[in-house]
Amino acid sequence: QKEVEQDPGPLSVPEGAIVSLNCTYSNSAFQYFMWYRQYSRKGPELLMYTYSSGNKEDGRFTAQVDKSSKYISLFIRDSQPSDSATYLCAMRTAAGNKLTFGGGTRVLVKP
Amino acid sequence: NAGVMQNPRHLVRRRGQEARLRCSPMKGHSHVYWYRQLPEEGLKFMVYLQKENIIDESGMPKERFSAEFPKEGPSILRIQQVVRGDSAAYFCASSPGGQPSGANVLTFGAGSRLTVL
Repeated sequence: QKEVEQDPGPLSVPEGAIVSLNCTYSNSAFQYFMWYRQYSRKGPELLMYTYSSGNKEDGRFTAQVDKSSKYISLFIRDSQPSDSATYLCAMRTAAGNKLTFGGGTRVLVKP
Repeated sequence: NAGVMQNPRHLVRRRGQEARLRCSPMKGHSHVYWYRQLPEEGLKFMVYLQKENIIDESGMPKERFSAEFPKEGPSILRIQQVVRGDSAAYFCASSPGGQPSGANVLTFGAGSRLTVL
């Protein structure tokens, strides 16, 4: 079993819809949670990170962490075709330097 | 700011040859991380370096792989005697100081794609 599970998709939505992404994890020591966006043939780009449980909002993006369920989510409001990419969740322990990534979810936003 | 620069972007090697991948971190960043992305898989941590020091190499294969980050010049990931299973995208990331929290704000390069024939 992988430490971080993420549905590979693809997840196809019409323009303007809310995109809902999630990851589950098994290591209860994870304390920091990140979401990255990766366009084809490019490097991952950090969208946002959160610490422990709770919500964080940044523009059209909202990240949620539920440590009791070992479940994290990313919501993208008013999705645009330019949001079409692979979204990767990542997480680390409090003292750790390395990130553990999910396999990524491919998202297609259709105009 | 040119961001994290990786070269070559694409590298083709035959089995048994050596591959050298280079990474120049963002200006002002002194921490470098290497990750490998195999086809249809997520990124896997390989090694974390600061200038002239390997801090964490727990993700590096025991043989054939090595990394360095000299006082001057880019970080180098070296793969000796490559095999087909080494074919992957290798990403470098950098962060500013203040570890370990710097690991929360990694800036990735565009990657080097290694193909082993």
